[in-house]
Amino acid sequence: EVRLLESGGALLQPGGSLRLSCAASGFLFRSFDMTWVRQAPGKGLEWVSTISLSGGNTYYADSVKGRFTVSRDNSRNTLYLQMNNLRADDTALYFCAKGCCGGSGMVDYWGQGTLVTVSS
Amino acid sequence: DIQMTQSPSSLSASVGDRVTITCRASQDIRNYLAWFQQKPGEAPKSLIYAASSLQTGVPSKFSGSGSGTEFTLTISSLQPEDFATYYCQHYIHYPPTFGGGTNVEIK
Repeated sequence: EVRLLESGGALLQPGGSLRLSCAASGFLFRSFDMTWVRQAPGKGLEWVSTISLSGGNTYYADSVKGRFTVSRDNSRNTLYLQMNNLRADDTALYFCAKGCCGGSGMVDYWGQGTLVTVSS
Repeated sequence: DIQMTQSPSSLSASVGDRVTITCRASQDIRNYLAWFQQKPGEAPKSLIYAASSLQTGVPSKFSGSGSGTEFTLTISSLQPEDFATYYCQHYIHYPPTFGGGTNVEIK
């Protein structure tokens, strides 16, 4: 059974930093791209970032480029999202998701999400 | 970036109804189109990829069609567990963008 468990969400002030983690199990982690998607309270889904299976290629939404960094540790089956210079509009539930289906950022399985709140 | 537009943004339907949701892309995305279902307080669930291919375990009452710029998701006979918000997403290239969602409510 595919399982994705996000952690690291918190309440913090604008300008702060945070690292999210996503522990994966139930599939061969190193064989799949991985993606972060976020959802602001009461809003729709927004793709944030994707990292290739080896970690050699990373992609970001314009809204986070230069502030967020995605990485992975295939020996630990863990995906990360380093978030710097956080803003109020980064407030959202952050989901990690497993890649699939031969496309750019396409995913099949999702975690339950971790909440990031940026407020002064 | 490619814009994805869903219609309607919400609809009310009864159990047993046939429901169709439309998703339009601002440019040709061939069949690089996925559909997701999200219930309140839950993570999204993948229903369909490649415009018409059902993910493993998704019941056949869900079907997808279309190519190019216009796509549809159809639920053949709406059941209580189908009341949710549905999102389309293109994934032909980065950034993959989602539609605004369609909230399917009980009439």
